Amino acid sequence: DGGITQSPKYLFRKEGQNVTLSCEQNLNHDAMYWYRQDPGQGLRLIYYSQIVNDFQKGDIAEGYSVSREKKESFPLTVTSAQKNPTAFYLCASSIRNEQFFGPGTRLTVL
Amino acid sequence: SQKIEQNSEALNIQEGKTATLTCNYTNYSPAYLQWYRQDPGRGPVFLLLIRENEKEKRKERLKVTFDTTLKQSLFHITASQPADSATYLCAPSNMNTGFQKLVFGTGTRLLVSP
Repeated sequence: DGGITQSPKYLFRKEGQNVTLSCEQNLNHDAMYWYRQDPGQGLRLIYYSQIVNDFQKGDIAEGYSVSREKKESFPLTVTSAQKNPTAFYLCASSIRNEQFFGPGTRLTVL
Repeated sequence: SQKIEQNSEALNIQEGKTATLTCNYTNYSPAYLQWYRQDPGRGPVFLLLIRENEKEKRKERLKVTFDTTLKQSLFHITASQPADSATYLCAPSNMNTGFQKLVFGTGTRLLVSP
């Protein structure tokens, strides 16, 4: 089955720790995205990548980093510099008009 | 800056009725507008896309309108069912390529009662 997978589904982190969220797609899409969703708020774009080895900051990139070494993979690292990292993180990819989303990772900072 | 507004209050309707959700945008002139469905704890799923030169688009029980003068899109679900209960997000854009930098609204939660 083609699609986007994210792991883990739930992630707990202690303050001061970096964590990496995984995003893999087998849809052969060039473009990939990371969003953050907080209760009562829309999806906010963290980073996006239009092609392998290239990525751009979105609207709320501070405290996050990404890499795009392979077409299929777009991992997101939440660093200790992110002041309020507890949120629901969504990865997506696109071809033509629509975006295809993964199931999400819920990150909680203890 | 671009602003997308969707009714933050939940919409409660009876099964069989038509649900109408609103998406208003300001400081923006999108050429396309997409609607997505999101269930709790899951990623959004694409439903429909409408272009600025299309006044109306239909897909099964779904209908979307796009009024560029009013800067508004309406999303209708006819003969609603409890399974339609979810949050619906609108996302205007100007791109028609594989890369889409979408701005999403906060979404409107729809609750359909049996």
